[in-house]
Amino acid sequence: GENVEQHPSTLSVQEGDSAVIKCTYSDSASNYFPWYKQELGKRPQLIIDIRSNVGEKKDQRIAVTLNKTAKHFSLHITETQPEDSAVYFCAASSAYGQNFVFGPGTRLSVLP
Amino acid sequence: DAMVIQNPRYQVTQFGKPVTLSCSQTLNHNVMYWYQQKSSQAPKLLFHYYDKDFNNEADTPDNFQSRRPNTSFCFLDIRSPGLGDAAMYLCATSTGTGYSPLHFGNGTRLTVT
Repeated sequence: GENVEQHPSTLSVQEGDSAVIKCTYSDSASNYFPWYKQELGKRPQLIIDIRSNVGEKKDQRIAVTLNKTAKHFSLHITETQPEDSAVYFCAASSAYGQNFVFGPGTRLSVLP
Repeated sequence: DAMVIQNPRYQVTQFGKPVTLSCSQTLNHNVMYWYQQKSSQAPKLLFHYYDKDFNNEADTPDNFQSRRPNTSFCFLDIRSPGLGDAAMYLCATSTGTGYSPLHFGNGTRLTVT
């Protein structure tokens, strides 16, 4: 089955700096990769996603890159703000779109 | 607004006393999921329904069961809750057609006393 690794487990950055979170997956059949942000006590919320036929996607300060050959995908947050502080989860899904496997999460702290 | 609704937000039950958590959706999605999440760990899939087809994860304890009486509703039954079952339970939906994200409800935080 699919296995998703995520690094780092914790990340602290100064406000205004960039943050990068990296994930690797094992199943070459996975072709859809969403990222979720979860604030304390709240539900995970989708922040960006990418399909396997796309190498990069950007939405304002957030971008995701995918290297299908290496089975890597990364989340990039630029100009970080204190409200970006949360736990971020990457996930991978197969072509049938039913099963999502999550990475273990990264706790991002943006220091003012 | 179309959404995934979980009730209650907080549930307290006694050790060994059966409890049912509920989830409803107005998204008309084919797939409904139940996840267990502890202490900011990754959500752990318990089971999911594709329409009426039930899919159980291999490591989901027998203590957990689910019902989906119709497209809109799904229930999680915990037959004999133990202290280790205290967690956030997240319901989610997706279209199930690929390239479709999970839409999560706000979760039910279960406390076992």
